[in-house]
Amino acid sequence: GAVVSQHPSWVICKSGTSVKIECRSLDFQATTMFWYRQFPKQSLMLMATSNEGSKATYEQGVEKDKFLINHASLTLSTLTVTSAHPEDSSFYICSARDLSRSYEQYFGPGTRLTVT
Amino acid sequence: GESVGLHLPTLSVQEGDNSIINCAYSNSASDYFIWYKQESGKGPQFIIDIRSNMDKRQGQRVTVLLNKTVKHLSLQIAATQPGDSAVYFCAELSGGGADGLTFGKGTHLIIQP
Repeated sequence: GAVVSQHPSWVICKSGTSVKIECRSLDFQATTMFWYRQFPKQSLMLMATSNEGSKATYEQGVEKDKFLINHASLTLSTLTVTSAHPEDSSFYICSARDLSRSYEQYFGPGTRLTVT
Repeated sequence: GESVGLHLPTLSVQEGDNSIINCAYSNSASDYFIWYKQESGKGPQFIIDIRSNMDKRQGQRVTVLLNKTVKHLSLQIAATQPGDSAVYFCAELSGGGADGLTFGKGTHLIIQP
């Protein structure tokens, strides 16, 4: 149980285009989902917290107009990277918090974004 | 926010030996700590967790120790196997789980045959 999926697993796009990444909790309901970014050989950095039915909360330094987050249901959150640039190339990972376990977070497999 | 740091970026151990990965945290309000294992190109995989009201917790081949006095966390892996090779991150959580995790820098564990 407690499986989180991400789609796509990898994507290559051109500068200036937008890319949408989906995060789904497959067998549990997640009121809260989190989006992290990880550059090569670095740690995970929290970008934003996404609560179902409300606006996402962004960490300091993360542009909310560039990284659009939508959490339309208890099992789906999306991250859209708008007007992508090469510096946005990174590994994007989501996690979902299980309603029934206040501390548990389950991570998705990640999405590798390459902007050319 | 405050960061969680690791002492060693790379740790190389012989297969079959025990390994210890250390982590220092700075947020005294953190009440939950987790160790994750991350293999190349994959998301973090939960290993073991511990709450601040405990100082030790054991799992299968792994033990986490928490020293709140010096704000130190460690992960012990017994009888390391080739499959243990990965990057290990400690992470902390405060605020009752409402916030995201703060990750440490990571330690790359290399298992020598």
